[in-house]
Parts: sequence; structure tokens; C-alpha cells
Amino acid sequence: DIVMTQSPDSLTVSLGERLTINCKSSESLLYRYNNKDYLAWYQQKPGQPPKLLIYWASTRETGVPDRFSGSGSGTDFTLTISSLQAEDVADYYCQQYLTAPPTFGQGTKVEIK
Amino acid sequence: QVKLQESGPGLVKPSETLSLTCTVSGASISNHYWSWIRQSAGKGLEWIGRIDTNGDTNYNPSLKSRVSISADTSRNQFTLKIYSVTAADTAIYYCVKRTTLGPYNWFDSWGQGTLVTVSS
Repeated sequence: DIVMTQSPDSLTVSLGERLTINCKSSESLLYRYNNKDYLAWYQQKPGQPPKLLIYWASTRETGVPDRFSGSGSGTDFTLTISSLQAEDVADYYCQQYLTAPPTFGQGTKVEIK
Repeated sequence: QVKLQESGPGLVKPSETLSLTCTVSGASISNHYWSWIRQSAGKGLEWIGRIDTNGDTNYNPSLKSRVSISADTSRNQFTLKIYSVTAADTAIYYCVKRTTLGPYNWFDSWGQGTLVTVSS
């Protein structure tokens, strides 16, 4: 299985500040035949299921605010929130879908300072 | 808008069978791929398996010998069974829909989840 490792495990940021979450895969997620990275990001608020934010490493799902952006390729990826809002307090997960079984990172908890 | 709702016992005894049903509204289960994913404090988010539009299934090798997923198209439901459960199967169980943008395993609709505790 591809192992997904996120860092940090948690971070505390002031409202309006920029934050980044890192995700590293044990194998490259870049598929050479379509030049796409098979990486998604999810947001999970307390008591709720995960919600899809980004797929193909950088494509925002419909309705996701543009303060959320994804970047990276190969084995190293980043989720950036450009200006943290109170409603962004949540756990964030990366997930690879290149090979079966799909696997998730352990999560990063985002809190307000 | 697709909605998914899990149902089933919240408490299962060790060595018994965990059985959950997902009822889908807003979409026909015959037209999409459906999965079960669980979340526990110990193992995080874990994909259990899926059923496709032909009724074919694919399971996580870590659980393959103990898992079964089936569908009832007349009721627009699909069901998860995990046999011979242990405390390690205690988790929140989610039913989810795979994207329709192609044969890619990212998940764009999730049920609210149901907590299943394995305990005597």
C-alpha cells in the first residue's frame, strides 16, 4: 500500500494568516500517461464526515472557496489556506487514488490562535 | 443532490458479524461506484471496499477475508458485512460515493457516519 504522511500533526494559526499542510507519499503519485497527480484533499469538521476539497492535487471541487489551493507533484504535496477563517477549523486529510487500496494521511488538525 | 444514510446496530459482540446498510437518495446505485470507509482513533481513515455498477466488488486486502459488500437495487441500498469482529473493528463507518468524473477513487459524497462499537 502507498503510505501517506502529513506534517505537521497540528497547527495553530491566527485568523487571516496563511497556513500550509504538507503531505508526502511513499511512491510517486504522478501517472506518466496523463501527467496527472492522483492526490485529493479533504476537510473534516467536528462531528461531520470528510468533505472533498481538491482532486488532481490542485483542482478545487465545485463550491470550495478559492482561499484553498493545492500544489505539488510526484511525492510531495501542499494544501494552502491563504487567509484562515473561523470556519476553517477542522482536520485535513490527503488521499492517494493512484493504486488500490486508496489510502489516507493521518490528518492535520487546524486550530485558531 | 446525492444523500447517503448509514443504518445498523451500534453495538456488536466480539466474534459476531457487523452489518450496515447504506440507503441512497438522489441517485441510482446502479449508475455509480460505492464504497465503505471507516475511521478509528487507531488507524485513521481506512478504505474497506467497493461495489461497482455491475455488482463486482473489490476489498482492502487487510480485511478481504472478513468483508462482504452487496447491493439491493430495488431498494437503492448497499450493505457491508464484516465477519468475526474484534475490538479493532470499533470505528465510525461511512458509506461514500466515488466521483463520476472517471474511474478515479476520490470520494465526493459521504454519509454522516455511524459509530459501531465492538464489545461484550
